[in-house]
Amino acid sequence: GQNIDQPTEMTATEGAIVQINCTYQTSGFNGLFWYQQHAGEAPTFLSYNVLDGLEEKGRFSSFLSRSKGYSYLLLKELQMKDSASYLCAVRGLNNAGNMLTFGGGTRLMVKP
Amino acid sequence: DAGVIQSPRHEVTEMGQEVTLRCKPISGHNSLFWYRQTMMRGLELLIYFNNNVPIDDSGMPEDRFSAKMPNASFSTLKIQPSEPRDSAVYFCASSLVPSGGRYEQYFGPGTRLTVT
Repeated sequence: GQNIDQPTEMTATEGAIVQINCTYQTSGFNGLFWYQQHAGEAPTFLSYNVLDGLEEKGRFSSFLSRSKGYSYLLLKELQMKDSASYLCAVRGLNNAGNMLTFGGGTRLMVKP
Repeated sequence: DAGVIQSPRHEVTEMGQEVTLRCKPISGHNSLFWYRQTMMRGLELLIYFNNNVPIDDSGMPEDRFSAKMPNASFSTLKIQPSEPRDSAVYFCASSLVPSGGRYEQYFGPGTRLTVT
């Protein structure tokens, strides 16, 4: 089975840096995704990691350690529009191709 | 590209009524996913289709729920009879297979279902 843990809520200040952690325990691993979801909207893709290390894309970076079952999403130069929920999702090794298991999400509130 | 299309966007119905949610995946995608999202349980996978064939329906809560994908461009999720605890936002998502590589899922706008 899959078990994915992430903090429920975080608060940060505009212009600052925030790190959202995700730990997972899975029967197999074939990639980790981060999605952003604004209130009342659909999740949208942010980042993908399948090998250990850091993937950087603009203000957002995502890190993966497969041996530790750990990932984090790093948001730099926070903006008010970054207030949203951030979902960690793991793709397992199975015959179902692209099936994802999502964590409960971390609601990030950015304050002025 | 129009993205994943879902209808209706909002549905309010009375307990015991049948509810049908509809989804049109992105053209060319061969995987389709139905999710349910609530505050208490987060985003849960209900069922997954690959090339129109149901692959994993272990997330379907009970026999009141059924899903079909008669062709590559259309899927339905039906609840009969509906109950107040079915109130949630239902998302449809699509992607390409095989797995490996990024192949992220693209989500539709969701259907907000309220059962009174």
